[in-house]
Amino acid sequence: DAKTTQPPSMDCAEGRAANLPCNHSTISGNEYVYWYRQIHSQGPQYIIHGLKNNETNEMASLIITEDRKSSTLILPHATLRDTAVYYCIVRGTSGTYKYIFGTGTRLKVLA
Amino acid sequence: ETGVTQTPRHLVMGMTNKKSLKCEQHLGHNAMYWYKQSAKKPLELMFVYSLEERVENNSVPSRFSPECPNSSHLFLHLHTLQPEDSALYLCASSLDRGPYEQYFGPGTRLTVT
Repeated sequence: DAKTTQPPSMDCAEGRAANLPCNHSTISGNEYVYWYRQIHSQGPQYIIHGLKNNETNEMASLIITEDRKSSTLILPHATLRDTAVYYCIVRGTSGTYKYIFGTGTRLKVLA
Repeated sequence: ETGVTQTPRHLVMGMTNKKSLKCEQHLGHNAMYWYKQSAKKPLELMFVYSLEERVENNSVPSRFSPECPNSSHLFLHLHTLQPEDSALYLCASSLDRGPYEQYFGPGTRLTVT
């Protein structure tokens, strides 16, 4: 599974869009990009995933570059409850299917 | 109950004790997982079960013994643990072993004294 690189921390003003970047330059053609978040001492929560096309759901949007070497998770209107550690994970469709969690980005939403 | 539940939420045990962690998923999933999250470290996958069969064991010490009696329940039996085993233990489930999103429980905060 490809390795991902994320900034260790980011701040965002409440009500503004939070844009969380992720680099996955070694991603291969059959690997998906997944995003999870973990609010302090709770279990991780699935947010969204995608392969090539941009994806949107009720929580967030995922923008994947055309070469698929990076992606951005967008929380359109961040609230204080979005303060969490956000993990970007690249995972294939064969093999052990396991997620490899890195250290993620600690997002702090400021009032 | 909905989603993935874990009991107990907090556990303190001595190094000579034997205890068990329980996980139950109400999602009709076929795959279940145990993860360990030590302080300020990334989540580490411990075990994977698919249709009650263990399909992965990531070099976990034998003092951790998993059990999956059916696709809805997963246990982690603990015995003669060490203080460095203190961590948040998380259970997750997914539709199957494939590239499906995982749903996590709230975790059990374990302290070994």
